[in-house]
Amino acid sequence: ETGVTQSPTHLIKTRGQQVTLRCSSQSGHNTVSWYQQALGQGPQFIFQYYREEENGRGNFPPRFSGLQFPNYSSELNVNALELDDSALYLCASSLASGILNEQFFGPGTRLTVL
Amino acid sequence: SQQGEEDPQALSIQEGENATMNCSYKTSINNLQWYRQNSGRGLVHLILIRSNEREKHSGRLRVTLDTSKKSSSLLITASRAADTASYFCATDSNYGQNFVFGPGTRLSVLP
Repeated sequence: ETGVTQSPTHLIKTRGQQVTLRCSSQSGHNTVSWYQQALGQGPQFIFQYYREEENGRGNFPPRFSGLQFPNYSSELNVNALELDDSALYLCASSLASGILNEQFFGPGTRLTVL
Repeated sequence: SQQGEEDPQALSIQEGENATMNCSYKTSINNLQWYRQNSGRGLVHLILIRSNEREKHSGRLRVTLDTSKKSSSLLITASRAADTASYFCATDSNYGQNFVFGPGTRLSVLP
């Protein structure tokens, strides 16, 4: 157990809908990163939040957006869902931004888009 | 594009045997990490090796890093059925703010 929690565990949506996924970081961590993992693939970096500001973004369209709150928990929002958005969404928290800091992953949210 | 590529894509061995997985990457790195993932669940951090290190050990795990060949290997000795999982290497990206994962090696340890 890493202390990183995500909700919900599973989610089913239809194409065109919007979804919000939530992540609570490990105590003391001020950085949260979000990853998308398609079936049989490695995680792909979506974006990172550090002290409530976006601090780096991967190759994902603007309909993927996020928030980080003062308690460092975070949300991932996806608008206009597409079938290819079906994936496991992972969040990871770390003590600080930067690649020298170990990331602790949550159990993920499995999103299915029909 | 993916920075790291694991090899082989899938590996099946008997309990007690050693398992070796390899990771190749394209650009220079600051560190490389190995993770384990059971059945589509969260990732578990195994080992971090920095670019100035050549080898690290943790229990039954041994990781090597060859920066001249841009490659790393993960050795699991005396494998157990519980080691059955997908294993990923992750390297820091050009932007330095996140890790880039390869597609993973699916390891099956048969009892």
